[in-house]
Amino acid sequence: GAVVSQHPSWVICKSGTSVKIECRSLDFQATTMFWYRQFPKQSLMLMATSNEGSKATYEQGVEKDKFLINHASLTLSTLTVTSAHPEDSSFYICSARDMGLAGGGDTGELFFGEGSRLTVL
Amino acid sequence: GQNIDQPTEMTATEGAIVQINCTYQTSGFNGLFWYQQHAGEAPTFLSYNVLDGLEEKGRFSSFLSRSKGYSYLLLKELQMKDSASYLCAAMDSNYQLIWGAGTKLIIKP
Repeated sequence: GAVVSQHPSWVICKSGTSVKIECRSLDFQATTMFWYRQFPKQSLMLMATSNEGSKATYEQGVEKDKFLINHASLTLSTLTVTSAHPEDSSFYICSARDMGLAGGGDTGELFFGEGSRLTVL
Repeated sequence: GQNIDQPTEMTATEGAIVQINCTYQTSGFNGLFWYQQHAGEAPTFLSYNVLDGLEEKGRFSSFLSRSKGYSYLLLKELQMKDSASYLCAAMDSNYQLIWGAGTKLIIKP
């Protein structure tokens, strides 16, 4: 089945530094990828929708200048957490929709990356 | 508003059957997803329903009633490894996923 690879799985950084997380669709093209954040014991929260070749759409309350999203190709989206602070420590997960598996309309099956656990000291 | 409701926690016995219910209210509807999530890991896809009825996939089955805004995930022949959180998510008219808080399933020997 379709695979989404996310890297790195774990990252520890100092406060004030920037961290880049990559999300790749390995055997399908994804015009749309989603970035989520999950705090402990809470549900996944959509941060932004990443669209290939255009600007990302951010959810309310998510700072677009802090969480930079780049979707430069049909198989790669990156999330950069700029000037990270301890409150940014979380589990970040990406997902991509395989439009080739759409059962009708343009609703394709959603596949998730392995997740990236960020710890900011 | 948009809302997903599912029980917070359920307990079942190894080898038994358990049904996890989910009710949803969304602006438009483009399908209902079930995901399994083990602690500290990303969710993994279990099922997708967009038409009414039951979809069976091995030990797991998922049911949808669009008129009732209701779905359930049925797990048969429970195994210890099935202990996880099960997330229900509905896709709205903008193809955004509205997530439930998840149901923590505890399997006892």
